[in-house]
Amino acid sequence: AQTVTQSQPEMSVQEAETVTLSCTYDTSESNYYLFWYKQPPSRQMILVIRQEAYKQQNATENRFSVNFQKAAKSFSLKISDSQLGDTAMYFCAFMKQYAGGTSYGKLTFGQGTILTVHP
Amino acid sequence: DSGVTQTPKHLITATGQRVTLRCSPRSGDLSVYWYQQSLDQGLQFLIQYYNGEERAKGNILERFSAQQFPDLHSELNLSSLELGDSALYFCASSPRLNTGELFFGEGSRLTVL
Repeated sequence: AQTVTQSQPEMSVQEAETVTLSCTYDTSESNYYLFWYKQPPSRQMILVIRQEAYKQQNATENRFSVNFQKAAKSFSLKISDSQLGDTAMYFCAFMKQYAGGTSYGKLTFGQGTILTVHP
Repeated sequence: DSGVTQTPKHLITATGQRVTLRCSPRSGDLSVYWYQQSLDQGLQFLIQYYNGEERAKGNILERFSAQQFPDLHSELNLSSLELGDSALYFCASSPRLNTGELFFGEGSRLTVL
């Protein structure tokens, strides 16, 4: 079974600053996806960024980037130029990739990190 | 707006009752997933359907059941409700079985009194 651990229950950052959220995971699988999801007060889960384990290059989406260290089983999220709208709960998640590239949507989530961006 | 619609948004009921939560996936998406979010358990995968067929099962209680209909909408039925079933229930959809990307609805908040 896979486990995902987010060791930072809460983080805060000043607007326009950079913040890094930590995530570690444990798995015996070789092929998988990793995700960061954002849950703002509106409570809807929004995909922030996605990383395929076989890709060595770290994923980037605008102000969001990851530091994927496969050997260390670490997957941190860096938010640059933080904005007030980034205030949310952030979840790290793992999904096994089955043979043929299929997945079954069974996301294993971490406990979440509450990020507050201060003006 | 993710395109995934869940109803009702809020539901308050009593122990022992039965409720049905409904989900309409994004247009064209064949897979529907149900997740439960509670304070003590966090986010837990319950079940997945693909084009009407059950494809994967997680930590879903026997008191809970789900199905996906020919028009691809899905329902999650929760029966003999207990206080501990109070949670936010999310539906998500994805366009293909072999994708790692899910689109979540806004969730249905269930409160059992």
